Amino acid sequence: DIQMTQSPSTLSASVGDRVTITCRASQNVDSWLAWFQQKPGKAPNLLIYKASTLQGGVPSRFSGSGSGTEFTLTINSLQPDDFATYYCQQYKSYSFTFGGGTKVEIK
Amino acid sequence: EVQLVESGGGLVQPGGSLRLSCAASGFTFSNYWMSWVRQAPGKGLEWVANIRPDGSEENYVDSVKGRFTISRDNAKSSLYLQMNSLRAADTAVYYCVRGGGSGSILDYWGQGILVTVSS
Repeated sequence: DIQMTQSPSTLSASVGDRVTITCRASQNVDSWLAWFQQKPGKAPNLLIYKASTLQGGVPSRFSGSGSGTEFTLTINSLQPDDFATYYCQQYKSYSFTFGGGTKVEIK
Repeated sequence: EVQLVESGGGLVQPGGSLRLSCAASGFTFSNYWMSWVRQAPGKGLEWVANIRPDGSEENYVDSVKGRFTISRDNAKSSLYLQMNSLRAADTAVYYCVRGGGSGSILDYWGQGILVTVSS
């Protein structure tokens, strides 16, 4: 199985900050990489797919980049609603593994 | 509006069985891969299983192979997960999700249903 490693696991930031989360795959996943946001007690919400394509309705302050084995999620000008946990996921091959998550906390 | 509503969760003893259901609406169910994803309490997300739109192909994470069976009824727009030989490690919130074939995104999620395996 392809292993997905996210860093950092926790990130403290302030409103207005630019935040970057990294996701590394143990094998090449091309651009078959998605990012999800999850708030406590809620289902995950798809933010980005195909590494850099914004899902409809997602604010443009979210962006994704990368291909192959290294990917980043960037949040420009962090907003109060963005404090949450973020997961990457590869969907190139089974078992469609997720990263361990990055919790974005208020500094 | 796409809606996915899970049911059938609850408390079950180790070794027991449970069947989860997911009622889908707001899209043409028979056109989409469907998946189950779970999340143990306080832990991350784990893809569990998926099924092809016509039901002809199923895939599972290794930890549930031989114990869980995913199925669908396109006439009823419903997805199912039959879980047998349940273990404490299967305790999780189970999400019904649209999508999940190779190259297919997980774009709509149900609210999730809790399955607790405990004596």
